[in-house]
Amino acid sequence: DTGVSQNPRHKITKRGQNVTFRCDPISEHNRLYWYRQTLGQGPEFLTYFQNEAQLEKSRLLSDRFSAERPKGSFSTLEIQRTEQGDSAMYLCASSSRPRTSGLDEQFFGPGTRLTVL
Amino acid sequence: KQEVTQIPAALSVPEGENLVLNCSFTDSAIYNLQWFRQDPGKGLTSLLLIQSSQREQTSGRLNASLDKSSGRSTLYIAASQPGDSATYLCAVPPGGSQGNLIFGKGTKLSVKP
Repeated sequence: DTGVSQNPRHKITKRGQNVTFRCDPISEHNRLYWYRQTLGQGPEFLTYFQNEAQLEKSRLLSDRFSAERPKGSFSTLEIQRTEQGDSAMYLCASSSRPRTSGLDEQFFGPGTRLTVL
Repeated sequence: KQEVTQIPAALSVPEGENLVLNCSFTDSAIYNLQWFRQDPGKGLTSLLLIQSSQREQTSGRLNASLDKSSGRSTLYIAASQPGDSATYLCAVPPGGSQGNLIFGKGTKLSVKP
């Protein structure tokens, strides 16, 4: 399967614990995005990478959040000292940098659902 | 600041009906617009991408139109089926960029047999 994969699919943790999620993009996609989605809302952008460089971070990405993309392949999103407000679906997407403007189509993974007790 | 609005928030139709979902955005300086489908508890499936230079894009029973100058897009679904039941989301990049997407809250569609 050549789609975007995310692990784990579900994570239940206690408040104050650290969690890490992994995203494997479509192979040869050089752009990778993280979004967060809460119930009844559309996804909200967190951060994005082009190859291994983190190019943009949303104000939603507090200092408890960190993302990496070593070697420009898979990416990890870590949340330290989790809070109940971090409970959400964390979505990863990837795209390839197009030669033509406007063809940057993003493909999403199945998401990781985080529940903080 | 780019904002995306989708109307209606929910829609229930009988099977076989044709329907239109609406999306509006505030900054028309977009490179493209994407429509997605999301089933409950799942990730997003890309349905259609329309480049800013295009007026419409078709895939099977789906047709998406884009009026960039008025900041509007519509997703037309022909001959709806119960399997079309899902939440439909539209998304655009911030004006003048090709990076992240800004999403509406979606339209929850229910097609009754």
